Amino acid sequence: GAVVSQHPSRVICKSGTSVKIECRSLDFQATTMFWYRQFPKKSLMLMATSNEGSKATYEQGVEKDKFLINHASLTLSTLTVTSAHPEDSSFYICSAREGSGRAREQYFGPGTRLTVT
Amino acid sequence: AQSVAQPEDQVNVAEGNPLTVKCTYSVSGNPYLFWYVQYPNRGLQFLLKYITGDNLVKGSYGFEAEFNKSQTSFHLKKPSALVSDSALYFCAVRDDSNRGSTLGRLYFGRGTQLTVWP
Repeated sequence: GAVVSQHPSRVICKSGTSVKIECRSLDFQATTMFWYRQFPKKSLMLMATSNEGSKATYEQGVEKDKFLINHASLTLSTLTVTSAHPEDSSFYICSAREGSGRAREQYFGPGTRLTVT
Repeated sequence: AQSVAQPEDQVNVAEGNPLTVKCTYSVSGNPYLFWYVQYPNRGLQFLLKYITGDNLVKGSYGFEAEFNKSQTSFHLKKPSALVSDSALYFCAVRDDSNRGSTLGRLYFGRGTQLTVWP
């Protein structure tokens, strides 16, 4: 089946620094990638949708200048958390979707645990 | 608007007993429904989906789900639970009605923690 990887799996950074999380589709071309944030024992909150070669569409309440998303190729999307603060600590999950057909489901990455100290 | 409700935060069953995790949905068009499972500190794993066709959908690890249009439900079931089934389960509906840049986004329920005790 389709595989999506995320790197790093865990990252600890100091408050005020920026951290980049990569999401890669390993065996398919992802025309659309989604970034989610998950709080402990909570559902996934969609942060933004990115389509290759165009600007990401952010959900209401998500700061686009703080959470920079780049989808420069059909196999790679990056999420950069800028000037991180402790409240940004969370589990970030990406997903990727190949094409736009109705039978196309999303494939999820394993997630990245971000801890801001 | 699309939405999914999982009315139970927690479901506890004994190993070997049947399990049901409930999900109801609200969609403006045709429902495309999914179940995912998440183990601690891991991403979501796809279990099964309903797009069209038979109302009873069979998926991974012995799970199945029944699409009920009149009750707008898509409950996840398994005839005999295993301790290893203990995890967080998410029901989701996909939005294919919006032709814009967010085509195909998933709307998730809040999740149901399944605990199977020996």
